[in-house]
Amino acid sequence: GAGVSQSPRYKVAKRGQDVALRCDPISGHVSLFWYQQALGQGPEFLTYFQNEAQLDKSGLPSDRFFAERPEGSVSTLKIQRTQQEDSAVYLCASSFSRTLRGRQETQYFGPGTRLLVL
Amino acid sequence: DQQVKQNSPSLSVQEGRISILNCDYTNSMFDYFLWYKKYPAEGPTFLISISSIKDKNEDGRFTVFLNKSAKHLSLHIVPSQPGDSAVYFCAASARPNAGNMLTFGGGTRLMVKP
Repeated sequence: GAGVSQSPRYKVAKRGQDVALRCDPISGHVSLFWYQQALGQGPEFLTYFQNEAQLDKSGLPSDRFFAERPEGSVSTLKIQRTQQEDSAVYLCASSFSRTLRGRQETQYFGPGTRLLVL
Repeated sequence: DQQVKQNSPSLSVQEGRISILNCDYTNSMFDYFLWYKKYPAEGPTFLISISSIKDKNEDGRFTVFLNKSAKHLSLHIVPSQPGDSAVYFCAASARPNAGNMLTFGGGTRLMVKP
């Protein structure tokens, strides 16, 4: 079946511009995560959804970052007034369900959106 | 402070030999560990995982070892193949934790030479 898809794959924005990044998780996956990966580093957690509920947004670096998943499937990460330090790859991942007691759910990643802010 | 560290940024191995990738962690609440493999311009691909109740998990050519007392895990690839050349990330998660956010190391670039 189809994996996690993200669009656009590449985005160049002028500083101060707003951008919107889209994630289509694997069908039926309840949990959805956004991560930010700076060049040469590992991904860092941004936010987590269970269905349409945003249960954790502790990783969002500033109030310029906003994420939503209104119908519990597709998610959008929006960055307002982009800054050069926002340049990174933004990864979306999904998993089948939140953790059941004694069980962990593997996260499957999309290809990412590479954002370059000039 | 980095909670998950991969101290070797790169590793070069001859085809057919063993590749050993290492990962250290500091958070004693981590109870589930994963290895992901990443090719350029692609997202991380899940490789293998291990729960803290085990010390070894094997899947084909890939084996992950966990040493909880040392807060250390390693990924062994035997035999290594040129197609294994990629960046490998170890990741960890802790409960209780809504949704099991993953904490990643910085990655190790593995190069397998023919």
